[in-house]
Parts: sequence; structure tokens; C-alpha cells
Amino acid sequence: GESVGLHLPTLSVQEGDNSIINCAYSNSASDYFIWYKQESGKGPQFIIDIRSNMDKRQGQRVTVLLNKTVKHLSLQIAATQPGDSAVYFCAENSPPNDYKLSFGAGTTVTVRA
Amino acid sequence: NAGVMQNPRHLVRRRGQEARLRCSPVKGHSHVYWYRQLPEEGLKFMVYLQKENIIDESGMPKERFSAEFPKEGPSILRIQQVVRGDSAAYFCASSPPLGQGNTDTQYFGPGTRLTVL
Repeated sequence: GESVGLHLPTLSVQEGDNSIINCAYSNSASDYFIWYKQESGKGPQFIIDIRSNMDKRQGQRVTVLLNKTVKHLSLQIAATQPGDSAVYFCAENSPPNDYKLSFGAGTTVTVRA
Repeated sequence: NAGVMQNPRHLVRRRGQEARLRCSPVKGHSHVYWYRQLPEEGLKFMVYLQKENIIDESGMPKERFSAEFPKEGPSILRIQQVVRGDSAAYFCASSPPLGQGNTDTQYFGPGTRLTVL
């Protein structure tokens, strides 16, 4: 079946460095992608999204890159801060059920002071 | 600017009891989704509702689980005769109606953590 998955389950990064979190997806029909951040005991928090007609989108300290050729998605966090420590999920949907988000397993990011 | 509200945040039930989870979407949002998350896993889609309608319940177990989103009041996820395997975090999300923002983006509540003893 189709799946969304992440390359690495954990990432340890020094405070101030940049973080890169990767995600692979298998459904070539996927046309909308979202990154969520989930802190312990909380619900997923929207970070940034991108549609399949784009390759890159930037937000505040975050950039999402989409490579449709290899079905790869990445989230870059600039100048990582302690508050960035969380589990990060990529999620995607595809027509016709474009309301049904499929989530990857998550990458745990730990920021070292 | 209230986001998605869920209650209770924590719920403990004994096997065989009923669990009722409530979700109030973002004000003005007419689409509600329920997801389940097992420990150290991603969220799994359960059901998609609009006011008074179940649009897609393909992710919900056929027995013991039901969901509703009445014309007035919160959305309810109901689990009858709970078993230990129902222990999980249940998240509700909402999105705006057509013509009022990005209908694809789902905003999540804090979740209800159900523990079945």
C-alpha cells in the first residue's frame, strides 16, 4: 500500500545549527504535504505546507523542499533552538480523498545546549 | 482565537465501559476529522464528518466505534465496551469550509489520552 515514511527516527542537533528532517512518500498522486511538530503531551502543530506544483516554500526559520522525481520531502530548520525539540511528522494527502492525511512515523529532534 | 478544543484530556476506563470523547472545532470550521495515535507512531485517520453527516468512516473499526457531529454542539467519538487495545491518544482536527481558507490544512486539538485498565 501507499505509505509516508521518514528516513531517520531521531536527530540530535547542536543549538544554533541547522536541522534537516527527511521524509519519503510512495504515492505519486500525492499533491499536498504538511509538516507538523508535536511536543510531548500535545497535539500536532502545523508548521508549513507545500503543494505539488512547488519545489520550495519558506516560512519563519523553516523551509520545505519537495522533490517529486524521487518522492522526497524535507524540512529545514535554521538556527535550531531548544524549543524546537519535538517529534516532527510529515503528512500528505492525494485526490480523490484529499481530506485524509497520511502520516509518517515521526522524527524525534533533540536540541543540545 | 480559540483553536480546536478536546475534552477530557485524559480518560481512564475499565474494560467493557464506554468512552465518550468530545471535540469542538475552530469557530467557523465545518469539517471535523478524528485520528488515533498509538505510542511512538504517526496518526491514523479514522473518520471525517461535516455537520450532521459522516463523509468517510473508512478508518474506523466497524464495531464499537461511532462518531457524530450534530448541528449544535461538539463532535463526539464514542467507543463502546472498550478493550485494552483501544488505549491510545485520539486527536480531533478541523478545517474551514470551502471558500474560507485552505480547506486542506487541518488544525489539531490537544488530544484525549484514553487508558483502558
